[in-house]
Amino acid sequence: GAVVSQHPSWVICKSGTSVKIECRSLDFQATTMFWYRQFPKQSLMLMATSNEGSKATYEQGVEKDKFLINHASLTLSTLTVTSAHPEDSSFYICSAREAGDVQPQHFGDGTRLSIL
Amino acid sequence: GQNIDQPTEMTATEGAIVQINCTYQTSGFNGLFWYQQHAGEAPTFLSYNVLDGLEEKGRFSSFLSRSKGYSYLLLKELQMKDSASYLCAVKDSWGKLQFGAGTQVVVTP
Repeated sequence: GAVVSQHPSWVICKSGTSVKIECRSLDFQATTMFWYRQFPKQSLMLMATSNEGSKATYEQGVEKDKFLINHASLTLSTLTVTSAHPEDSSFYICSAREAGDVQPQHFGDGTRLSIL
Repeated sequence: GQNIDQPTEMTATEGAIVQINCTYQTSGFNGLFWYQQHAGEAPTFLSYNVLDGLEEKGRFSSFLSRSKGYSYLLLKELQMKDSASYLCAVKDSWGKLQFGAGTQVVVTP
């Protein structure tokens, strides 16, 4: 089945640090990838839709200058949390979808980000 | 606005059957997905419905009624490893997945 790899799985860093998270589709090409954030005991909230070769589309309330998304190839999207602060601590999950509108999204293993 | 409702928690014993209901009101409808999520892990895809009716996949089945804005996920022959959160998600007109808050299923011996 479709496999999505997300790296790193766990990050602990000081306030003010920028953190880059990678999302790769390992066995399929993904023109579209999605970035979600999940707080404890809450559901997944879509942050942005990442499109290969074009600018990402951000959801309302998500700062595009703080959460930089780059989708440089059909198998890789990156999310950079710039100048992270403790309130950015969360579980970040990416997903990718194979070509075809009826295909399900497949999720990476998630990145747990803790800002001290 | 978007509204996807599912119960917060359900408890059942090993070997039993549990049905998780999901009702939705979204901007457009392009399919309904069920995902399983264990604590601290990412969701894994379970099933997909776009037409009315029942989809069966081993111990898991999912049902959809578009006219009622309703779906359920049926888990049969429950096992301890089925203890997890089950997420109902609707794909809206823009192709985005709108997630419910999840139903925590607790399987007891």
